[in-house]
Amino acid sequence: DTAVSQTPKYLVTQMGNDKSIKCEQNLGHDTMYWYKQDSKKFLKIMFSYNNKELIINETVPNRFSPKSPDKAHLNLHINSLELGDSAVYFCASSQDPVSQQFFGPGTRLTVL
Amino acid sequence: AQSVSQHNHHVILSEAASLELGCNYSYGGTVNLFWYVQYPGQHLQLLLKYFSGDPLVKGIKGFEAEFIKSKFSFNLRKPSVQWSDTAEYFCAVTSFSGGYNKLIFGAGTRLAVHP
Repeated sequence: DTAVSQTPKYLVTQMGNDKSIKCEQNLGHDTMYWYKQDSKKFLKIMFSYNNKELIINETVPNRFSPKSPDKAHLNLHINSLELGDSAVYFCASSQDPVSQQFFGPGTRLTVL
Repeated sequence: AQSVSQHNHHVILSEAASLELGCNYSYGGTVNLFWYVQYPGQHLQLLLKYFSGDPLVKGIKGFEAEFIKSKFSFNLRKPSVQWSDTAEYFCAVTSFSGGYNKLIFGAGTRLAVHP
């Protein structure tokens, strides 16, 4: 059984489009995260939600809007995509904000 | 702000060689420390973690790491690497901010093991 899943795995789109990436965890965790891994493999946290409430927002452009419909899901919507948004986006979850995080398989976004 | 430094960006070894990857962090308070591995085309997996107690931590696949508080270091070691250890290795530290912990990653070390 997949613990943290993301869809789609690959996403290729044109500049200016709006796209969403979905994340689901079946671990019963309260906390979920979005990370961005750039072309140099550098990983940086973008957002974190705890019990559906935003607790971390790392000065990400407001074109990025996370949404948590319930504790098991954290989706990432990106408006007006730019070339610099090309990256691998990883979702993660943890039991609470201080516990070990479990990562999803990643979504490779390519903006043309 | 909290930061994590991994000194080796790219390491090339032959099978059976010993491995040590450096990791230093900047935060002076209580920290939780992690090493994650990312095999080619795969997601991040936890190798080992340190929260408290014995500073020498044993992880999966024969990896270990030593927390040296005085040096702000958490170096990863393996006595004899295998070709299957070829991967990207990330050191991470929790940073307490705004009432919550967040994970700060180092830039990663790419390990290539040749048969």
